Amino acid sequence: NAGVTQTPKFQVLKTGQSMTLQCAQDMNHNSMYWYRQDPGMGLRLIYYSASEGTTDKGEVPNGYNVSRLNKREFSLRLESAAPSQTSVYFCASSFSGRGKNIQYFGAGTRLSVL
Amino acid sequence: AQKITQTQPGMFVQEKEAVTLDCTYDTSDQSYGLFWYKQPSSGEMIFLIYQGSYDEQNATEGRYSLNFQKARKSANLVISASQLGDSAMYFCAMRLNAGNNRKLIWGLGTSLAVNP
Repeated sequence: NAGVTQTPKFQVLKTGQSMTLQCAQDMNHNSMYWYRQDPGMGLRLIYYSASEGTTDKGEVPNGYNVSRLNKREFSLRLESAAPSQTSVYFCASSFSGRGKNIQYFGAGTRLSVL
Repeated sequence: AQKITQTQPGMFVQEKEAVTLDCTYDTSDQSYGLFWYKQPSSGEMIFLIYQGSYDEQNATEGRYSLNFQKARKSANLVISASQLGDSAMYFCAMRLNAGNNRKLIWGLGTSLAVNP
């Protein structure tokens, strides 16, 4: 079982370039999330999708867009990358409803914007 | 405001000893869940243990247990018989169960080093 798969694992961009981070899960989860992790700041939620066809902003959505392509896939797009977007990005997924709704994470994408 | 506080930026423990990582939370909601995750140096986030606010017993998962004190709003992680592979960052998180919101509120983490 692959769980949550993120691509790419590493990326270097120049300021102003665009890119899309891909995320796919094979656990039949309803909800998916994008986080960024910066030193000393913990994990911060960028966007989430409670179910297929819906997306909502998290704490730090500026400069990002998302697409919930289908139940399995949730992509994060940087339209015009900035050095402040240098970070480690995590995708996660969970069931939503009654129960623990544990979030399971992908391996992360290390992004550097020069 | 909902918040998670982890007051120990770094902890050291001797191999085979037990260690407690502190987590306090702040919420006025009655229904919530508390989570602990491990992040080794390789970077992945690994789910360790879950405690529901209405669970009467402390959660246990192998060498991990959660010391849940609801009145004190604390959810400390206890790792018994520490191993070198336990060296990692540990994050405490809370999810409020009201509505359809399944977002997690995260602490800043505790770095644990296990000494041989």
